[in-house]
Amino acid sequence: QMQVVESGGGVVQPGRSLRLSCAASGFALSGYGMHWVRQAPGKGLEWVAVIWPDGSQTYYLDSVKGRFTISRDVSQNTLYLQMNSLRAEDTAVYYCARDGLGAWYWMDVWGQGTTVTVSS
Amino acid sequence: QSALTQPPSVSGSPGQSVTISCTGTSSDVGAYNYVSWYQQHPGKAPKLMIHDVSKRPSGVPDRFSGSKSGNTASLTVSGLQAEDEADYYCSSYGGSNNLVFGGGTKLTVL
Repeated sequence: QMQVVESGGGVVQPGRSLRLSCAASGFALSGYGMHWVRQAPGKGLEWVAVIWPDGSQTYYLDSVKGRFTISRDVSQNTLYLQMNSLRAEDTAVYYCARDGLGAWYWMDVWGQGTTVTVSS
Repeated sequence: QSALTQPPSVSGSPGQSVTISCTGTSSDVGAYNYVSWYQQHPGKAPKLMIHDVSKRPSGVPDRFSGSKSGNTASLTVSGLQAEDEADYYCSSYGGSNNLVFGGGTKLTVL
């Protein structure tokens, strides 16, 4: 059964860092593009970042460029999102999701999300 | 990276059909057949309902269908059932190496 499980969320002060993890099972990360998508409280979905199936390329939402880094460890079959210089507006549930075909197509496997709260 | 435009809410009675629109631009929805639709129940993760404008993943009822005309994509839910009540989001490749979602539509089954 294909699934992803996020972890690492929590309450953090503005300006601090947090690293989210997404453990995949039932499929190999090395064969799929992977996304991070977030949802602020009471708001809609917002795409955050993607990593190419071969890991060679990464792309980001403009507002997180330079602050967030998406990466993966294929030996651990785990995706990461390193979040630095966190702001209040980064408060959200963060989902990792598998791209069904490559990197820009559709997200067919989603985790349950991990909550990040940025507050002093 | 502007969000796609969806109506905030739609409603219908059991058995009826409803259509949710998703309007983008000639740079995103109009340029690519990479439109997807997701269903999200409260407190739950999104679920893929339609990809590539009109393709249904295995397990999604054929009551759900998708289409596109110009810069606007649409999701139609036929034969409404109580369990269809949820939030629905469209998404599209936005060009310029980004992906955009719609603001979401709350579907109410009356």
